[in-house]
Amino acid sequence: SQQGEEDPQALSIQEGENATMNCSYKTSINNLQWYRQNSGRGLVHLILIRSNEREKHSGRLRVTLDTSKKSSSLLITASRAADTASYFCATERINDMRFGAGTRLTVKP
Amino acid sequence: DTAVSQTPKYLVTQMGNDKSIKCEQNLGHDTMYWYKQDSKKFLKIMFSYNNKELIINETVPNRFSPKSPDKAHLNLHINSLELGDSAVYFCASSQQQGKETQYFGPGTRLLVL
Repeated sequence: SQQGEEDPQALSIQEGENATMNCSYKTSINNLQWYRQNSGRGLVHLILIRSNEREKHSGRLRVTLDTSKKSSSLLITASRAADTASYFCATERINDMRFGAGTRLTVKP
Repeated sequence: DTAVSQTPKYLVTQMGNDKSIKCEQNLGHDTMYWYKQDSKKFLKIMFSYNNKELIINETVPNRFSPKSPDKAHLNLHINSLELGDSAVYFCASSQQQGKETQYFGPGTRLLVL
């Protein structure tokens, strides 16, 4: 399916460590986006990577995209307790964007 | 100013009732969406409206009917509520269909008893 699947489902790390989340999908896409959802809140856009890009950075975030493997990763460096949230990847084809089930990240102070 | 707003924030109701959730965006976007997030946090698109026209209507029961009086509003009406409708419903908008960043509302937590 076009829908992304995040891995792992849950991740728990200590503050200061890096967190890596992965997203895999099955069909070709135009772009892939990562969103963050704090508990009880709506999703907030983090970063968009197009299918012809391999890596993008935004602050402490680093996203990679490997279209040959149909996978993407989100790396959060030097994590903080405030990074605790669920992270979703969203894959976009022609006029259609689909979300996965998310990775629940817990950063312990 | 809130970009995407939803009302109500919480909705508790009995099985069989009819309820509506309202959504408004002040971003000037052309496309609006409704998503359902279940207890496992899986986010599933229900409907998409582009300039007041339905674009996506996923396999959603016809008890759910979206209504878009103008491109800034997309309301969701639910008839004969069932226990399985309990979830968080998110409204979102984007400049264009599927190509742009989506901006989400805060969600409406629906509990059907």
